[in-house]
Parts: sequence; structure tokens; C-alpha cells
Amino acid sequence: DAGVIQSPRHEVTEMGQEVTLRCKPISGHDYLFWYRQTMMRGLELLIYFNNNVPIDDSGMPEDRFSAKMPNASFSTLKIQPSEPRDSAVYFCASSLVQREKLFFGSGTQLSVL
Amino acid sequence: QKEVEQNSGPLSVPEGAIASLNCTYSDRVSQSFFWYRQYSGKSPELIMSIYSNGDKEDGRFTAQLNKASQYVSLLIRDSQPSDSATYLCAAPLNNAGNMLTFGGGTRLMVKP
Repeated sequence: DAGVIQSPRHEVTEMGQEVTLRCKPISGHDYLFWYRQTMMRGLELLIYFNNNVPIDDSGMPEDRFSAKMPNASFSTLKIQPSEPRDSAVYFCASSLVQREKLFFGSGTQLSVL
Repeated sequence: QKEVEQNSGPLSVPEGAIASLNCTYSDRVSQSFFWYRQYSGKSPELIMSIYSNGDKEDGRFTAQLNKASQYVSLLIRDSQPSDSATYLCAAPLNNAGNMLTFGGGTRLMVKP
């Protein structure tokens, strides 16, 4: 298996623009997670899905953030409008049954100017 | 106070020495603990999990858990320069819906 695939690897955008991050989990994994990593706050859970259904989005910082999982092989994280404080590395991860054994994608480095 | 706490480091050890990484957590009911390794510019990867009090060994790595003290550690024997990375402690916390919560990580530097 190719592992968790994220795109794009790098995204540079201007404040106010819409940003869409994409993720393809490992085939057969039941759980999908979106994390954000910054120097100040470390690795934070934003939202997770179980069998394509959003279970907990309490980590989503505000209404500008939204996530979808239309099928078992694809998820998106959207930021609209983006702000400079959204600059971070965004990781997607998936797991099979046991939610703690996460397999991370390579991440998207987002820079909002 | 963070719910999973680690010393941010950097922790510097000479090649061949034992590196000791420590982590404390706030949730007394946590039953499982995990160590992830993250190389610079890369994503975290799981290297150890521990569920019971005591030690768990896997090659050069030993995880130690003390639930009474709410303390978990990772020992790396015969440290190699390739072990230089940030080590993240993680636990599912009751007040986070039992979802995995990560510490801030300890940066380890192994000098040749």
C-alpha cells in the first residue's frame, strides 16, 4: 500500500483565499484524522471520521474550517477565508480499528501571506 | 498545564549512550501510551506502545510506564546519530473523547 497520500505538499496563498487540502487514507482503514502542527501548539487534532462519518470536530478552530469525507478513499479540509495564523503543517492520518495507531501522511505545509 | 507534558529539549547525548525521554500525563484513567518519532520535515511514525505498568522492550528501545505516578518514559540504548529526531509522547485522554493527545515533543540530538 502507498500509505496515506496528501496533496498538495506545499501551499502558498494570500490572506482571504480559499484553501483545500486533500487526503487519501490507507485502504481499509476505518478512521481518518486531520491534525495541525505548529511550533507553538504542537500537534493538535482538528477532526476525525469513522467510516466516513464526522465524529468529533471540536478541535476545528472556527467556522472558517470545514472537512468532508464523501467516500472511504477521500477527504478534504477546507479553509475559507484563510488567514496568516492558519499557517502550519496539516497532517492527515488513518488507522484501522485501534484509533491510537496512526499512520500519517507526509503533510501539507501551508503558508498564508 | 498541558495534558501531556514533555521537556522540549534539545536533549543531547553522545553516540553509544542511553537517551532517556520522559513524559507525564494528566488523565488517571488513561490505559495506553504511545511514542511517535518525527524526523525533521517528516511526519510522525509510531515506534512504541505500552499498556501495562513496567517495561516493554523492542530492540534498542524500552518504554517504561508508571500509572500511579502518571509517568511514561522511553529509553534508547546505544544511541545512534540516526536516532536524532523529535519524540512525541501520546495518550488517549478522557477529556478529549478518548482521542489521542500528543505532547509537545522532545528533540533528541545524538552526537557522533
